[in-house]
Amino acid sequence: AQRVTQPEKLLSVFKGAPVELKCNYSYSGSPELFWYVQYSRQRLQLLLRHISRESIKGFTADLNKGETSFHLKKPFAQEEDSAMYYCALSGGGADGLTFGKGTHLIIQP
Amino acid sequence: GAGVSQSPRYKVAKRGQDVALRCDPISGHVSLFWYQQALGQGPEFLTYFQNEAQLDKSGLPSDRFFAERPEGSVSTLKIQRTQQEDSAVYLCASSSGTVNEQFFGPGTRLTVL
Repeated sequence: AQRVTQPEKLLSVFKGAPVELKCNYSYSGSPELFWYVQYSRQRLQLLLRHISRESIKGFTADLNKGETSFHLKKPFAQEEDSAMYYCALSGGGADGLTFGKGTHLIIQP
Repeated sequence: GAGVSQSPRYKVAKRGQDVALRCDPISGHVSLFWYQQALGQGPEFLTYFQNEAQLDKSGLPSDRFFAERPEGSVSTLKIQRTQQEDSAVYLCASSSGTVNEQFFGPGTRLTVL
């Protein structure tokens, strides 16, 4: 069975500090990994996905198949980064997503 | 036009009542997904449509849950004889089918008393 684990329910860092949100997954094949973000009073939206290998809003995530991880990183946190972050997995194609439980990121001024 | 829309945004039902939740996907999107998000949890997959065909309903928790998309556009998620454990936010998402990016609606918050 596929599973996504986000070990931190809450992560609080100061503005300007580095941020790393952890995500580990379990999947037997070659998954597609995503990070979704939900800002206060807004809908869930895609932040980035591993196949794009891009940086969005200063965030990057690298798929590590050996460690089955897809951690989200940003070198210098900004207050507007405060939000709920969900790691998600897809088996590929037009497939339902399996989400982690989410990490609430709080950036303190 | 606009993004995915859902209605109603909030629904309060008495235990045992039937409810119907509507999703309007982005125009032209062939794939449509329903998710259930309980408080403090991540969204959980319920079912998936490609046009009008329901290709995966493995996530529906019981036979009280039923989804349809008869014309390949608007979809309705119906819950019969609601129970307290059905209380959750129900999210709808759509995608073009060519790119695996799902666009989410604002959700319907269902509270069963």
